[in-house]
Amino acid sequence: DAGITQSPRHKVTETGTPVTLRCHQTENHRYMYWYRQDPGHGLRLIHYSYGVKDTDKGEVSDGYSVSRSKTEDFLLTLESATSSQTSVYFCAISGGTPEGQPQHFGDGTRLSIL
Amino acid sequence: SQKIEQNSEALNIQEGKTATLTCNYTNYSPAYLQWYRQDPGRGPVFLLLIRENEKEKRKERLKVTFDTTLKQSLFHITASQPADSATYLCALGPGANNLFFGTGTRLTVIP
Repeated sequence: DAGITQSPRHKVTETGTPVTLRCHQTENHRYMYWYRQDPGHGLRLIHYSYGVKDTDKGEVSDGYSVSRSKTEDFLLTLESATSSQTSVYFCAISGGTPEGQPQHFGDGTRLSIL
Repeated sequence: SQKIEQNSEALNIQEGKTATLTCNYTNYSPAYLQWYRQDPGRGPVFLLLIRENEKEKRKERLKVTFDTTLKQSLFHITASQPADSATYLCALGPGANNLFFGTGTRLTVIP
């Protein structure tokens, strides 16, 4: 299995609070991604990174920010959590150029916002 | 915008039979298509990649076809086993920022 660790694995918090999710990889892969998975929607890309300090928006980036200060760590922050951000969040990594490269996923963070 | 449909939310099949899952897409011309397996409480796991210039790809009991005219991919599991029970996702690319996933088909193989 690819070395990807997501933390925390579960979190319950209240509307309006800031939340940070962490993805840590031991594969030295260049590309890292954050997705959310909701019933009826499949996996949707939030943000991705193509190198240290290099990030870009995905399909559903509103309300989220990311940072990548080291190759191995990719942080996802919800500045002021809303109930619509209740979801399962997955981090993924891929090596080399992105064309056709498989993505390797962590086991997700289940986030509930009350 | 692009749309990806996987044939059904759930598919039940008898052990030993061939399971066939469908992925249809519209408003998109992918350069490649990937299939993933996802077990409950786990992240997706990559299974197979097929490119637009390939008609078929095989890996052990798995076979994927890709018909760019019909805008469809078929994913087959031959001699299915209860351990094959999982949700299977198709994903279309290219690009790091536009890999589009379908909602998945939950396969149950009945002993």
